[in-house]
Amino acid sequence: KQEVTQIPAALSVPEGENLVLNCSFTDSAIYNLQWFRQDPGKGLTSLLLIQSSQREQTSGRLNASLDKSSGRSTLYIAASQPGDSATYLCAVEKGNTPLVFGKGTRLSVIA
Amino acid sequence: NAGVTQTPKFQVLKTGQSMTLQCAQDMNHEYMSWYRQDPGMGLRLIHYSVGAGITDQGEVPNGYNVSRSTTEDFPLRLLSAAPSQTSVYFCASSTRRLGQRRYNEQFFGPGTRLTVL
Repeated sequence: KQEVTQIPAALSVPEGENLVLNCSFTDSAIYNLQWFRQDPGKGLTSLLLIQSSQREQTSGRLNASLDKSSGRSTLYIAASQPGDSATYLCAVEKGNTPLVFGKGTRLSVIA
Repeated sequence: NAGVTQTPKFQVLKTGQSMTLQCAQDMNHEYMSWYRQDPGMGLRLIHYSVGAGITDQGEVPNGYNVSRSTTEDFPLRLLSAAPSQTSVYFCASSTRRLGQRRYNEQFFGPGTRLTVL
């Protein structure tokens, strides 16, 4: 059974700092990995999707990498801002089975 | 293009009552799913559908029914509500990559916050 772990569970950083969020998964035979953002009381917003054949994806200040063989992904946020404060979730997909989610990392960026 | 919509946004039920959570998408996505999100448990899959007329169980299907009569709609029915079903429910949709088994980016609705007393 696929398990997804995100470390740390919570993170607090000063504004302007670069930071890395980690995601690991137990079954490396995935088709893609997706990073989401969730604001309090809101739904999930897709940030980046990395296909299994790719090693990274970038969108603005966000960069996500994927190392399938080691079962790891990282989300790099450059020059963090208070508006980046949210919970970040990663999820993996394998074939016809739906997404399996980690429990998320709650990020606070302090002005 | 409204994306994925869910109604109602909030609902309070008494134990034993039944109700239907509505989910609709206007992106012609084949794949739709329902998740529940609980503190400390993360998102857990309830039911999913890979197309009209096809549904399957997820990780926590007990106490819930689904049907998929159209591509656009995927309602979730609570048969006899229990306090353990107090949660936030999310619907999601996606399209399959042409000729492949993998899916494209998944889109989520805003959620329904359900309280069962």
